[in-house]
Amino acid sequence: KAGVTQTPRYLIKTRGQQVTLSCSPISGHRSVSWYQQTPGQGLQFLFEYFSETQRNKGNFPGRFSGRQFSNSRSEMNVSTLELGDSALYLCASSLAGDLYNEQFFGPGTRLTVL
Amino acid sequence: AQSVSQHNHHVILSEAASLELGCNYSYGGTVNLFWYVQYPGQHLQLLLKYFSGDPLVKGIKGFEAEFIKSKFSFNLRKPSVQWSDTAEYFCAVMNQFYFGTGTSLTVIP
Repeated sequence: KAGVTQTPRYLIKTRGQQVTLSCSPISGHRSVSWYQQTPGQGLQFLFEYFSETQRNKGNFPGRFSGRQFSNSRSEMNVSTLELGDSALYLCASSLAGDLYNEQFFGPGTRLTVL
Repeated sequence: AQSVSQHNHHVILSEAASLELGCNYSYGGTVNLFWYVQYPGQHLQLLLKYFSGDPLVKGIKGFEAEFIKSKFSFNLRKPSVQWSDTAEYFCAVMNQFYFGTGTSLTVIP
């Protein structure tokens, strides 16, 4: 079974631009979560989608948004990029809608904002 | 504020030494606790998890963790570490999607 895939793997953008990251969950998984990973901050939760609905949201500004499609694939968008948005963005999928299930993580997208 | 604290940021051990990584959480309700590991160049993967029942849970690769409700702790242990355990370890309270800042473990052969 293929794992969680994320595209692109690396991105370089400049301040003020916007970016869209993509995540394909494991086949059959309906929950997709997004995290921002930075040194010293660990993983910070952005949002979680289940069956195309945003079910949980972290404490990030409105510049960060996401969506999920009917095939469970998810996209995350960051508008008006800031230098502090440079990070590894991780996507994780899980089988069902409850929080007892293990989350399977993708390799991440490394975003650099210049 | 609700959070997960991992007090050890960097740990360096020799092979065969015992390991204990601290994890404390601040959340008043029922917790679903996880430990994830990230080996160099690899994805995050689950080590072990606790929902209820026996507070001592065993995971992969000889790791175990003990849930102590009165101390709001879920410390990770391994009696004898190996060089291949070199990685970053994250504690998480998954019902709130909270992860700790991680502990970097280096095991010296």
